[in-house]
Amino acid sequence: EAGVVQSPRYKIIEKKQPVAFWCNPISGHNTLYWYLQNLGQGPELLIRYENEEAVDDSQLPKDRFSAERLKGVDSTLKIQPAELGDSAVYLCASSPRGAGTGELFFGEGSRLTVL
Amino acid sequence: DAKTTQPTSMDCAEGRAANLPCNHSTISGNEYVYWYRQIHSQGPQYIIHGLKNNETNEMASLIITEDRKSSTLILPHATLRDTAVYYCIPTISGSARQLTFGSGTQLTVLP
Repeated sequence: EAGVVQSPRYKIIEKKQPVAFWCNPISGHNTLYWYLQNLGQGPELLIRYENEEAVDDSQLPKDRFSAERLKGVDSTLKIQPAELGDSAVYLCASSPRGAGTGELFFGEGSRLTVL
Repeated sequence: DAKTTQPTSMDCAEGRAANLPCNHSTISGNEYVYWYRQIHSQGPQYIIHGLKNNETNEMASLIITEDRKSSTLILPHATLRDTAVYYCIPTISGSARQLTFGSGTQLTVLP
C-alpha cells in the first residue's frame, strides 16, 4: 500500500515568491493534516481536513497561507508571499475514518528554504 | 492537552534495551498516551499507544504507571536504525486527531 506522498521534497525560493506543496493521502483516508516543523522542534498543526471540509485551521496564518482539498482527496498548501521565517519542513499526514488506533500516517515532508 | 516532560537526549548501546521516560502528571482520564518517533529527514512514525494497561507490539513496549502520571517506552533490543527523536503525546479518547508534539527525546544508538 502506498504511503502519504508529498511533493516537492525540497524547494528553494527567494522571499516574496509564492510556493505550493502537494499531498496525496493514503487511499480511503478521509482526514488530512498539514503540519509545520521548524528546525529542532516538533511538528505543529496548521490545518486539518475531514473530507473536503477544513475543521481546524486556527493555527494557519491566513494572511499568507492557504490550503485546499478539492474532492476530499489530495491537498495543496500555498504560501504567498513567502517570508524568511517560513523556512521549515511542511508535513502532510492522513488518518482513516473512525477512531481505530488513532494512528496518523505521515509523508516525508517538503523542506522549504526561503532566501 | 496534558503537558509532558521528556529528556532532551539519551544514548543507548546497540543491542541493549532503550528505556525512554515521559512525565505527564496532568494527564486526564480520557487521554491516551501515544508514542511516535521521527528518524532524520522523515515524517513521524506511530509506535504504540495505551490508556492504563501496559502494551506491547512488534516495535516496542509501553509501561504506564498505575497513577498514569508517567510512562516508559521500551525498545527491547535497540539497533542503529532506532536512532531518532521520540515523542510522547497524551491525547484524547483514542483518536489522534489532536496530536500536539513537544520537543521529544533524541535517542542515539551507539555501535
